[in-house]
Amino acid sequence: GQQVMQIPQYQHVQEGEDFTTYCNSSTTLSNIQWYKQRPGGHPVFLIQLVKSGEVKKQKRLTFQFGEAKKNSSLHITATQTTDVGTYFCAGPVSNSGYALNFGKGTSLLVTP
Amino acid sequence: SAVISQKPSRDICQRGTSLTIQCQVDSQVTMMFWYRQQPGQSLTLIATANQGSEATYESGFVIDKFPISRPNLTFSTLTVSNMSPEDSSIYLCSAGQINTEAFFGQGTRLTVV
Repeated sequence: GQQVMQIPQYQHVQEGEDFTTYCNSSTTLSNIQWYKQRPGGHPVFLIQLVKSGEVKKQKRLTFQFGEAKKNSSLHITATQTTDVGTYFCAGPVSNSGYALNFGKGTSLLVTP
Repeated sequence: SAVISQKPSRDICQRGTSLTIQCQVDSQVTMMFWYRQQPGQSLTLIATANQGSEATYESGFVIDKFPISRPNLTFSTLTVSNMSPEDSSIYLCSAGQINTEAFFGQGTRLTVV
């Protein structure tokens, strides 16, 4: 079945350093979504990418969707302590169409 | 956007009993889903809750164990039946329109003793 792989599993950075998490799917995706989950919280939608090669920015966050629509990345510039949490990528479940298949997530810890 | 109210937020249950989790959305949504998340792990899709028909379950999840109802476009329930300690987890309700962002409830933290 479809698999969504995400690396690294954990990342510990000093405040001000950059951070990147990578997502790879075993199949071509119609779209990919990114979510952030704070410790003890629920996943919160960040962005959806649809087009091949698409790049979107949200302040210090840059999201990319690969040309083959099988990989994606999230890059945070100059991390802050408020960036702490787990970042998940998610692609549509192939047989259901609209449910999401989540990657394992990257847990980001930012030390002041 | 959609606001999802999920309850209970947490519960401690005896093995062999059942717990029903409720999910209420503040607006009509096309899609509703139920996920399970072990602490520190990713989300695993249990099923798609279909309005007016039987839920669609993912591999490894069956209706007898996780019966789901969705009587209308804003409400769904998930029952965890005949619980065992292995069912201890966080259960999340999710809702949204087709191919757009998903909104999540706050989750139900279930501990089975």
